Amino acid sequence: EPEVTQTPSHQVTQMGQEVILRCVPISNHLYFYWYRQILGQKVEFLVSFYNNEISEKSEIFDDQFSVERPDGSNFTLKIRSTKLEDSAMYFCASSAWTGDGYEQYFGPGTRLTVT
Amino acid sequence: TQLLEQSPQFLSIQEGENLTVYCNSSSVFSSLQWYRQEPGEGPVLLVTVVTGGEVKKLKRLTFQFGDARKDSSLHITAAQPGDTGLYLCAGAGEDSSYKLIFGSGTRLLVRP
Repeated sequence: EPEVTQTPSHQVTQMGQEVILRCVPISNHLYFYWYRQILGQKVEFLVSFYNNEISEKSEIFDDQFSVERPDGSNFTLKIRSTKLEDSAMYFCASSAWTGDGYEQYFGPGTRLTVT
Repeated sequence: TQLLEQSPQFLSIQEGENLTVYCNSSSVFSSLQWYRQEPGEGPVLLVTVVTGGEVKKLKRLTFQFGDARKDSSLHITAAQPGDTGLYLCAGAGEDSSYKLIFGSGTRLLVRP
C-alpha cells in the first residue's frame, strides 16, 4: 500500500543552523502539507502546497520557513535559522480526491531537536 | 479561528466495555477525519465522514458526523487492549487548501 515517507527520522541541530526535512508523498497525490506537533500538544498546520505553490500557510510559517518540490517526488521543508522552540515532530501529509473528499495521509514524522 | 474540542482527554476502561469519544466545534467542516496515533509515530487515518448525519462502521468502531457538520463521535463496542492508543479528530475547512484542524486527542487505555 502506498505510503508517505520522511527522512531523517530524527535530526539534532544547533540553534541558528539550517535544516531541511524531506518527504516523499504518495505518488498520485496533488496536495501536500506540513504539520508539526510539539511534545504533548496538538498537531498544528504549517503549510499546504498545490500546483507548485503555497496555497495556505499558518502564522507559525514565517519567513524562516520555506517549502519546495524540487522534482517530481520530493517535498521539502526548510528552516533557515532554527530556534529552540522549533523542536517538535514534523509531519508531512499528502492527499488526493476520493469519494470522501481530500483524505490526508501522514508520514511517520521527523523528530527535530534544536539545542 | 476554527477549534475542535475533544472529550474526554483520557479514558481508562476494562476490556469488553463500550465507550464514546466526542469531537465538538462551533465551526462547520467540509469533512471530518479520525486518526489513531501511536507514540513517536504519525497519525494513521481511520475514517473520513463527509455528509451531515453520516454513520460509518469499521469493525467495532462506529463514527458519526453531526447533522450540522460541526461535531462527530467515535463509539467503540466491546473494547479490547489492542484499541489502546491516542485517537484524534481533525476537521477540514471549507476553504480551498483543505488544511486539517486537529483536536487535542483522547488517550484510551483498555485494561485486560
